[in-house]
Amino acid sequence: DAGVIQSPRHEVTEMGQEVTLRCKPISGHNSLFWYRQTMMRGLELLIYFNNNVPIDDSGMPEDRFSAKMPNASFSTLKIQPSEPRDSAVYFCASSLTSGRANEQFFGPGTRLTVL
Amino acid sequence: KNEVEQSPQNLTAQEGEFITINCSYSVGISALHWLQQHPGGGIVSLFMLSSGKKKHGRLIATINIQEKHSSLHITASHPRDSAVYICAARLTGNQFYFGTGTSLTVIP
Repeated sequence: DAGVIQSPRHEVTEMGQEVTLRCKPISGHNSLFWYRQTMMRGLELLIYFNNNVPIDDSGMPEDRFSAKMPNASFSTLKIQPSEPRDSAVYFCASSLTSGRANEQFFGPGTRLTVL
Repeated sequence: KNEVEQSPQNLTAQEGEFITINCSYSVGISALHWLQQHPGGGIVSLFMLSSGKKKHGRLIATINIQEKHSSLHITASHPRDSAVYICAARLTGNQFYFGTGTSLTVIP
């Protein structure tokens, strides 16, 4: 299994531009999580999906952020318009939610720099 | 006050030493996760536990629900164990609170 796949691995953009981060979860996993990691705030959960449905988006910082999961094998996190304070590493993780599971498998992350 | 507190923030050990990283939380949890983040940035889930103790190789994780405390132990530490270790408290419904991490350096 290829694990969780994220693209791009690195993104540099200018303030005001739209940024789209992509994630392919592990096949068969039914939960998907988007995290953001910064030096100041550490790791934060932004949103998670269960069976393609957003369950909790309370961690999404503001309306400029949106996430979608159109099918079980693909999710996007979009920032529009981007700001320098959005610079961070964004991780996607997936898990199989069952009676005893929930171990999460993390993707390699997307390092976003907004100039 | 953070919902999850880790200690120490930084730890340097000699190869072979026994290492303990502590995590205290103030919220009711459904599970506690220990994550390892390598210098290259990748994150690996080490343990998920809701009671007792789990062991995987040289790593041992324990949790005391009454005291709201968990520890991660590394026996016979090795330079390849150098990483940031993050404690994460998972509430019912998959809401997470993360510790700020413990940066471990094991010197040969």
